[in-house]
Amino acid sequence: SLDLTQPPSLSVSPGQTATISCSGDQLGRKYVFWYQQKAGQSPVLVIFHDEKRPSGIPERFSGSNSGNTASLTISVTQAIDEADYYCQTWDGSTASFGGGTKLTVL
Amino acid sequence: QVQLQESGPGLVKPPETLSLTCTVSGGFSSSYYWSWIRQAPGKGLEWIGYIYYGGTTKYNPSLTSRVTISVDTSKNQFSLKLASVTPADTAVYFCARGITLGGIVAPHFDHWGQGTLVTV
Repeated sequence: SLDLTQPPSLSVSPGQTATISCSGDQLGRKYVFWYQQKAGQSPVLVIFHDEKRPSGIPERFSGSNSGNTASLTISVTQAIDEADYYCQTWDGSTASFGGGTKLTVL
Repeated sequence: QVQLQESGPGLVKPPETLSLTCTVSGGFSSSYYWSWIRQAPGKGLEWIGYIYYGGTTKYNPSLTSRVTISVDTSKNQFSLKLASVTPADTAVYFCARGITLGGIVAPHFDHWGQGTLVTV
């Protein structure tokens, strides 16, 4: 399976932009998905196919993927965005998750 | 409204087999990738495997020798068996629905169960 590397943590102030990276070998050639997991809850899909938002996900969530790095950007970050974020991709028929990034909004 | 619910023992002794079932309501079809994902305490997500159309299965290479995923379409359920468990298998186990869109064969997990903690 493909190793995906994320920063363990990121802190931002409310209203700022948060950008979470996900690195992997030739990741730009694959589709990347992002999940948000709040404390004690199940993960929720926030980005699919690199940059698409599911219905109900705010427009402040966006994604990109190029080269070896995919990114999740949260603009005008709010307190409710505080959560763990995981990137995910497929290497053939095997799914891989990044180690997760804990986003703190303070 | 699709809902998934995991069920099974919360405590398993080594080296027994962990067995969990996921019951799906609101839409059970063989065209989805019915998946199991786990999360050890304080750790990240780990994909275990899925079952797809006609019973095709794919497993995480690190677990493939111990994992079996099966489906019972008559009960709208799919199941996980993990053999020879050790304390390292202690985790919250999630079942999830994988879906493909736009002809892109890379499923994403759009519905998840609430998760069930299994302690070994």
